Amino acid sequence: AQTVTQSQPEMSVQEAETVTLSCTYDTSESDYYLFWYKQPPSRQMILVIRQEAYKQQNATENRFSVNFQKAAKSFSLKISDSQLGDAAMYFCAYKWRNSGYALNFGKGTSLLVTP
Amino acid sequence: EPEVTQTPSHQVTQMGQEVILRCVPISNHLYFYWYRQILGQKVEFLVSFYNNEISEKSEIFDDQFSVERPDGSNFTLKIRSTKLEDSAMYFCASSEARDGWSEQFFGPGTRLTVL
Repeated sequence: AQTVTQSQPEMSVQEAETVTLSCTYDTSESDYYLFWYKQPPSRQMILVIRQEAYKQQNATENRFSVNFQKAAKSFSLKISDSQLGDAAMYFCAYKWRNSGYALNFGKGTSLLVTP
Repeated sequence: EPEVTQTPSHQVTQMGQEVILRCVPISNHLYFYWYRQILGQKVEFLVSFYNNEISEKSEIFDDQFSVERPDGSNFTLKIRSTKLEDSAMYFCASSEARDGWSEQFFGPGTRLTVL
């Protein structure tokens, strides 16, 4: 079974600090893509960052970066200089060709940002 | 910025009734998806749709469900005879292409409550 595990149901970070959200996945596929989506309280999911599995270099988008460990099947999200607006539910997801590229999500991590 | 819209935001229905959830994907997108999120659980893929046909569907998408693109803009999900366990948040998504890298853009969701 293709699964995505987010082991931290809730995380808390102080404003301006750095936080890392963990994600592991289980797949036998070689061609797949990994994503982090953010779901703010308004509940519209927004793409934060994405990574192709065959690329070694970790993706970065401004304050957001990933630590992709392919052998360990780990895809953690690091948020630097946390802001109040980062408070949201964060979902790790991946998709692969044989699934028709449907997104397979983890259960999510709720991130609280404190002033 | 173009976005996916969904109506209604909240639908309450009696068990056994038919419901139609509506979505307007981003205008130049060709691939459409429905996902659902039961409260407290992960977001799950239901179905993908392209060129007026279902491309992929999950085990959840049984004969009670159907999808349609009745005109050039709307994309609908119909549940023929709702059950209590259909209560969930339903998300529509669209993408330009059906590949690993393409971003799926999500709507704000419709909360379906079955009584």
